[in-house]
This record gives sequence, structure tokens and C-alpha cells, in this order.
Amino acid sequence: GAGVSQTPSNKVTEKGKYVELRCDPISGHTALYWYRQSLGQGPEFLIYFQGTGAADDSGLPNDRFFAVRPEGSVSTLKIQRTERGDSAVYLCASSPGGLDIQYFGAGTRLSVL
Amino acid sequence: DQQVKQNSPSLSVQEGRISILNCDYTNSMFDYFLWYKKYPAEGPTFLISISSIKDKNEDGRFTVFLNKSAKHLSLHIVPSQPGDSAVYFCAAKRDDKIIFGKGTRLHILP
Repeated sequence: GAGVSQTPSNKVTEKGKYVELRCDPISGHTALYWYRQSLGQGPEFLIYFQGTGAADDSGLPNDRFFAVRPEGSVSTLKIQRTERGDSAVYLCASSPGGLDIQYFGAGTRLSVL
Repeated sequence: DQQVKQNSPSLSVQEGRISILNCDYTNSMFDYFLWYKKYPAEGPTFLISISSIKDKNEDGRFTVFLNKSAKHLSLHIVPSQPGDSAVYFCAAKRDDKIIFGKGTRLHILP
């Protein structure tokens, strides 16, 4: 597809479980971003990749959160031992380079019961 | 501590009139400002941006004004159309990070 694709669109899990959220960026975009949007808030920065490496992971809330982008394209956000407070929409965005406009996917809505 | 503030959670405007969405920021190191529009169940979509060295940028019905001394920017939409009903996020950029406001829900009334 032409846009940023995120799967699954919805994920329901139980407290304490492990989840993986996937992002397929626009083809050729070298920069990839993860954001978290809680109810009534704007997107909150989590991590930024330039190519395969995490250029800035200062937004990850704690060590339960981890993200990878092994081949510089698809990225996976991993959350261990999920907590109810992790419930949010997780948004992925990509851009041609780090300073360009970011194009967002529709997000994954994570619900931790 | 919120660095980008949108103090109006919602705004209703008559179709055909001007919509003005406001945004304040606290960090003078921001070098670029953006507005994103979001429909339900979709990701935010880039609308318009402005560099910190400018005070106005216009694109069709959309104009963004930047007042650096007041640390304030605004988005003007004229004339407002039904399809403009959405949540609008103000955002500010510094280095590789974009900081978003909480958003303003715009309702265009028939």
C-alpha cells in the first residue's frame, strides 16, 4: 500500500501479557517514529529510528517497552508485562528523512484488561 | 509540563465562516511548527507548517500565523467547510522530536 500500515488495528490483552505491534512504513522512508496517544491527549513521542538504529528512545516510559527495526523498514514495538495504564492508541509515522513531514498510520488500539 | 498547549478542547463554527484554532508553546528552541488534522479511526494527517523564521504561511483555505514574542500560533480556515470537522493538533519540532498539543475538536455547523 501507499501509506503507513499498522497491524493489528485492535489488540486486547490481559494484564501481565506480552504484546507486539507492527508498523510497515512508506517504502523508501528512512525515518520511523512511534507515538502513544492516550484518551484526550495528543500523540506522545516514544522512539525514533533512522535506518536500523534507534536515534532517540528517550520517550520510552520504562524498560518494559522496546522497539526494533532490524532491516531498516518494518518496525515492531514490544511491550512486556502489560499494565492497564498501557492502554492507548499506538501510532507509527514515517518520513523520507529525519527532518521531513511525518506520515502517520491509523494506529493500533491496545486494551489491557 | 506541557510544552505545547491547546486550551480550547472544542470549537463550533458556522459553515462558510472563519475557524480560528489557537496554540501556545513554552520552549523558545522550537524551530518548526505544524498543524495536523485527525478524523476518527485514522492517523493524524499533515495540514500546514511554518518555520520559526516566518510569521505567516498560507495554503489555500488554510493560513498559519506565528507570533514568536508571544509564543503563540494560530490556524485560520476560511471559508470553513463540513469536511473540516475533525480534531486539530498543533505540534512543535526541535531536532528529531515533534511535541503535540492535546488537540481541539472543530465542529462545522450547517
